[in-house]
Amino acid sequence: DAGITQSPRHKVTETGTPVTLRCHQTENHRYMYWYRQDPGHGLRLIHYSYGVKDTDKGEVSDGYSVSRSKTEDFLLTLESATSSQTSVYFCAISEAVVLGAGELFFGEGSRLTVL
Amino acid sequence: ILNVEQSPQSLHVQEGDSTNFTCSFPSSIFYALHWYRWETAKSPEALFVMTLNGDEKKKGRISATLNTKEGYSYLYIKGSQPEDSATYLCALNQAGTALIFGKGTTLSVSS
Repeated sequence: DAGITQSPRHKVTETGTPVTLRCHQTENHRYMYWYRQDPGHGLRLIHYSYGVKDTDKGEVSDGYSVSRSKTEDFLLTLESATSSQTSVYFCAISEAVVLGAGELFFGEGSRLTVL
Repeated sequence: ILNVEQSPQSLHVQEGDSTNFTCSFPSSIFYALHWYRWETAKSPEALFVMTLNGDEKKKGRISATLNTKEGYSYLYIKGSQPEDSATYLCALNQAGTALIFGKGTTLSVSS
């Protein structure tokens, strides 16, 4: 199994509070992604990274920011959480040379509830 | 934002039935098409990554075909078993873009 861990795995927070989810990999893969999973929507891309300090927006990036200061860590931050951000968040990594070409390896997911 | 469509949304079959799902996508600027299997309470796992028109890939009882010119891929499961129950996702990579997923087809197999 690909070495990818997410933390925390479960979090309950209140509207307006900041939240940071962490994705850590031990595979030295170039690409890292954050997706959210919601009923009826499948997996939607929030942000992705193609290297240290190199990130780009996905299809649902509003309200989220990311940072990648080391190859192994990709942080997703909700500056001021809202109830619409209640979701399950999946981190994924890929060793492909070209963005999107290689298979993704997923973390176990982080369930976030915003009250 | 490109649109990846999967059909049907869900289906229920009996053990031993063969079944297939469809993934449709814009055929322009195609680079790769992925299939993932997602069991309840687990993480998605890759089944196939397909890049060439006419590609056919097989893993046990599961196989997939790809038609990039008309913009579709089929996933086939031969002789469905209860352990095949899962959501099957397809995802499209256009050149230079991250993967965009369809909403998935949820398969339920009864014994």
